Amino acid sequence: DVQLQESGPGLVKPSQSLSLTCTVTGYSITSDYAWNWIRQFPGNKLEWMGYINYSGSTSYNPSLKSRISITRDTSKNQFFLQLNSVTTEDTATYYCAREEYEYYFDYWGQGTTLTVSS
Amino acid sequence: DVVVTQTPLSLPVSFGDQVSISCRSSQSLANSYGNTYLSWYLHKPGQSPQLLIYGISNRFSGVPDRFSGSGSGTDFILKISTIKPEDLGMYYCLQGTHQPWTFGGGTKLEIK
Repeated sequence: DVQLQESGPGLVKPSQSLSLTCTVTGYSITSDYAWNWIRQFPGNKLEWMGYINYSGSTSYNPSLKSRISITRDTSKNQFFLQLNSVTTEDTATYYCAREEYEYYFDYWGQGTTLTVSS
Repeated sequence: DVVVTQTPLSLPVSFGDQVSISCRSSQSLANSYGNTYLSWYLHKPGQSPQLLIYGISNRFSGVPDRFSGSGSGTDFILKISTIKPEDLGMYYCLQGTHQPWTFGGGTKLEIK
């Protein structure tokens, strides 16, 4: 069974960088598909942030393009989100999810809450 | 970016009701090959969002047949017949045709 689990610091100060990890079990991230980060803001709005696919190619939401980086560690079957120069507007619950070929998300993690505050 | 508008924002229901949720996009979600990438999700408190419908009308594995999707172009509908307690939560549509992928604002299905 495919499972994804996010982990992160919980609290980050403004202007710092946030780093989150998504650990995938039950499927190799190098076998197929795209591995995404999605966030949900207070108030419930969902935003697609970007992905790294099975071959290592990335795609990012242009609204974040200058601040975001998604990388991976294939030996640990993990992928990572780095977001630079965070502000309070980056406070959200962050989800990782697998994207199928027909551009939908079939497996999601439980989410990790990140608060940006001094 | 494609703007996806969901209505209504809130949908008070009684168990056993049939309801529809609308999802409208600012441009057609059919690509040049005629494929339309519109999916629906249910998000319950404390859980991760779960996929219900993909490709407008295809139910994901394990999704009951009381959930159905329809539509084309810019207008799409999720229909839920015979609502059960486990159906309560936030419903979202997602367009995966035009980058960046964008979600609707959500519809809260709640008990009357």
